[in-house]
Amino acid sequence: NAGVTQTPKFRILKIGQSMTLQCTQDMNHNYMYWYRQDPGMGLKLIYYSVGAGITDKGEVPNGYNVSRSTTEDFPLRLELAAPSQTSVYFCASSTTGDPGNTIYFGEGSWLTVV
Amino acid sequence: GNSVTQMEGPVTLSEEAFLTINCTYTATGYPSLFWYVQYPGEGLQLLLKATKADDKGSNKGFEATYRKETTSFHLEKGSVQVSDSAVYFCALSPPGSSASKIIFGSGTRLSIRP
Repeated sequence: NAGVTQTPKFRILKIGQSMTLQCTQDMNHNYMYWYRQDPGMGLKLIYYSVGAGITDKGEVPNGYNVSRSTTEDFPLRLELAAPSQTSVYFCASSTTGDPGNTIYFGEGSWLTVV
Repeated sequence: GNSVTQMEGPVTLSEEAFLTINCTYTATGYPSLFWYVQYPGEGLQLLLKATKADDKGSNKGFEATYRKETTSFHLEKGSVQVSDSAVYFCALSPPGSSASKIIFGSGTRLSIRP
């Protein structure tokens, strides 16, 4: 049972570097999400997608880009990393946008920008 | 605006103790309310939910009652086990909105001593 898989689990970036957090799900879910969690704070939505080829901004999209070329994959791109992007990142997916449906989360990716 | 406030952790209890993790919310109308749990090394998973006032969500011995009059959704368990050690997140979904609008609390870390 793979579910939602995100890589890498841990990464240290230097200021100004770029990287991609990979996320893939094997449940054929239409909806996918990227969240970030800063210390002592709740999860905040960065971007989400309602299907292949469709993405939309969440609450905190600045400094990030996403694409959704397939149902399975939803990579998150960080351009010109900044210390403010030090956080834990969670990818998630669900069958529909109904909040009553279970949202499945990945294990998280710890990113430090120095 | 909409928000969720949950008690700060960490919370440390002995096995078989009674557990309460407080969660209060601010929202217009009747949001749906959720508790998510994150076990060590795993992603968040839905623990229980309630969609209208006075509903009680329950799962794995945990319960939470949707209290409109006190705007609360406290998580309780009568007798905790070591395996309950995890981070617990309270969350709400505003009325009529999609999963992309779910608001998460900051999480409460629970540790159970044998």
